[in-house]
Amino acid sequence: AQTVTQSQPEMSVQEAETVTLSCTYDTSENNYYLFWYKQPPSRQMILVIRQEAYKQQNATENRFSVNFQKAAKSFSLKISDSQLGDTAMYFCAFVDDKIIFGKGTRLHILP
Amino acid sequence: DVKVTQSSRYLVKRTGEKVFLECVQDMDHENMFWYRQDPGLGLRLIYFSYDVKMKEKGDIPEGYSVSREKKERFSLILESASTNQTSMYLCASSLPQSGNTIYFGEGSWLTVV
Repeated sequence: AQTVTQSQPEMSVQEAETVTLSCTYDTSENNYYLFWYKQPPSRQMILVIRQEAYKQQNATENRFSVNFQKAAKSFSLKISDSQLGDTAMYFCAFVDDKIIFGKGTRLHILP
Repeated sequence: DVKVTQSSRYLVKRTGEKVFLECVQDMDHENMFWYRQDPGLGLRLIYFSYDVKMKEKGDIPEGYSVSREKKERFSLILESASTNQTSMYLCASSLPQSGNTIYFGEGSWLTVV
């Protein structure tokens, strides 16, 4: 069965710093998708970034980028120039025919 | 923009009450989901539906049922609420193909006393 592990329950960084959130997963599938979702204190879950497993190029969305290592089954999220509004819970998700979420990393951006 | 609307943001119910949580999406999505979110446990899938009148059990269906009479609406039902069902409930929807973005509602905080 697929599993998704986020090993950092909580992190804090200073504003403007770069932070990396880790995510590993376990699957025997070759074709799948990976997502990072953000859930700020207002509770609306929103998509941050999406990666197709068949693409070798790492996805990037403005200050957010991923380091996708398919062989290692790792999908980390890097936030550059972190901002106060990045404070949120971040969930990694694995998708093939099911959607499996990690338990989340609570990120605090400190002024 | 896709909108997933959960009709109740905050509810307080008594033990044994029947509780309805309503969810409506406006993007003609086939797939709809109900998750429960608890601290330290992440999101756990309760039920999902890939079509009208169709439902499938997720990982924690016990104590819950669902209804999907119309494509845009997916209701979660707690037949007899218990205190261990106090939680945040998240509704979500997506297009049918694997890998499509999942859109979430704002969540419903349910407290059972």
